[in-house]
Amino acid sequence: QQQVKQSPQSLIVQKGGISIINCAYENTAFDYFPWYQQFPGKGPALLIAIRPDVSEKKEGRFTISFNKSAKQFSLHIMDSQPGDSATYFCAASPRTGANNLFFGTGTRLTVIP
Amino acid sequence: NAGVTQTPKFQVLKTGQSMTLQCAQDMNHNSMYWYRQDPGMGLRLIYYSASEGTTDKGEVPNGYNVSRLNKREFSLRLESAAPSQTSVYFCASSVTGQGYTFGSGTRLTVV
Repeated sequence: QQQVKQSPQSLIVQKGGISIINCAYENTAFDYFPWYQQFPGKGPALLIAIRPDVSEKKEGRFTISFNKSAKQFSLHIMDSQPGDSATYFCAASPRTGANNLFFGTGTRLTVIP
Repeated sequence: NAGVTQTPKFQVLKTGQSMTLQCAQDMNHNSMYWYRQDPGMGLRLIYYSASEGTTDKGEVPNGYNVSRLNKREFSLRLESAAPSQTSVYFCASSVTGQGYTFGSGTRLTVV
């Protein structure tokens, strides 16, 4: 059973456009929501993360929007560039326990020039 | 600044063979994890170690064992490899409540 549901599976965006990836969860014990970026042949790397006490967090061109009541969060990539082409994973972990992360199934983003 | 180092990077095994995947981190992190990544399934937790001396099962532990050798090292063992264990394996480490640092992965094929 997938604890974090991610969509879409793949996404093609024109250079300069906005990429939007969505995730949803059910477990109300989750309180840490990171996004990871993975290039082919590499391990995932932490991109940006949010906790549920804020509704939005922005770092450069990357923004997480968080809707606690709907149990949804999303990643927006503004002014998308070909170098952003990668697989993106959302994840969530509970506030107690061993800090285990539950990952979504990933979104393969392709930014075309 | 090595971070998390995994060895080997690639491995081909025959069904029934055993092997150990090695992982070491130099960031003084307490927690370490083993994930497997399969197409369309994201990353699934195999085992984790919240601190030195402790290990626990994750979502998909069957067919695997782990050893937290010391604070730096966390190994994953396949006792009798099966084709279903063909995957990319990632080790990660973290400070509790913070993001993970992943290694570059081990691509394992079982034939």
